[in-house]
Amino acid sequence: GQQLNQSPQSMFIQEGEDVSMNCTSSSIFNTWLWYKQDPGEGPVLLIALYKAGELTSNGRLTAQFGITRKDSFLNISASIPSDVGIYFCAGQLSTGNQFYFGTGTSLTVIP
Amino acid sequence: EAQVTQNPRYLITVTGKKLTVTCSQNMNHEYMSWYRQDPGLGLRQIYYSMNVEVTDKGDVPEGYKVSRKEKRNFPLILESPSPNQTSLYFCASRRRHQETQYFGPGTRLLVL
Repeated sequence: GQQLNQSPQSMFIQEGEDVSMNCTSSSIFNTWLWYKQDPGEGPVLLIALYKAGELTSNGRLTAQFGITRKDSFLNISASIPSDVGIYFCAGQLSTGNQFYFGTGTSLTVIP
Repeated sequence: EAQVTQNPRYLITVTGKKLTVTCSQNMNHEYMSWYRQDPGLGLRQIYYSMNVEVTDKGDVPEGYKVSRKEKRNFPLILESPSPNQTSLYFCASRRRHQETQYFGPGTRLLVL
């Protein structure tokens, strides 16, 4: 299967700081997605990206679809305690119905 | 309320004892999937279904079976569970041509 490398694996930050994480792949993806998983729950979609270079925001979250179509980035500005969780990137190839997930970035926000 | 439900939420079993994890969605979604989540590996797709009676293997199908006899249900069957199937399992559904997947709350399975 496809391998998505997500970094960093974990982050410990102070409340109010900005956060950046990224996801890279050896394959070209048609769609990039970013999910957040709260403890004890399933992932929830945060942002979807559909074309190379696209920059999309959702509140304090901003994500970008890389120009090469092999990477994507997620930024969180002015972090707050409820941002705690695991963030996953996911990609969809131009063909097929599968979504491939990254290994996740665990975010801890220290009040 | 639109949702994906899974049962049971927690299960402890022994090697070789057949089990079924149920999944049901009330959104009339065509697509349904099963994933397993393991530390350091993220979510990996086990099986997916594009509609009733249409299923296909994901990345890690070995040791699992699925069926899609009704649109709303997509059970995951472990005929002979082994300890390496100890994991957190998620069911998800989405509309055809849409990327937004709705995930269930997860089923934590321990195989002794």
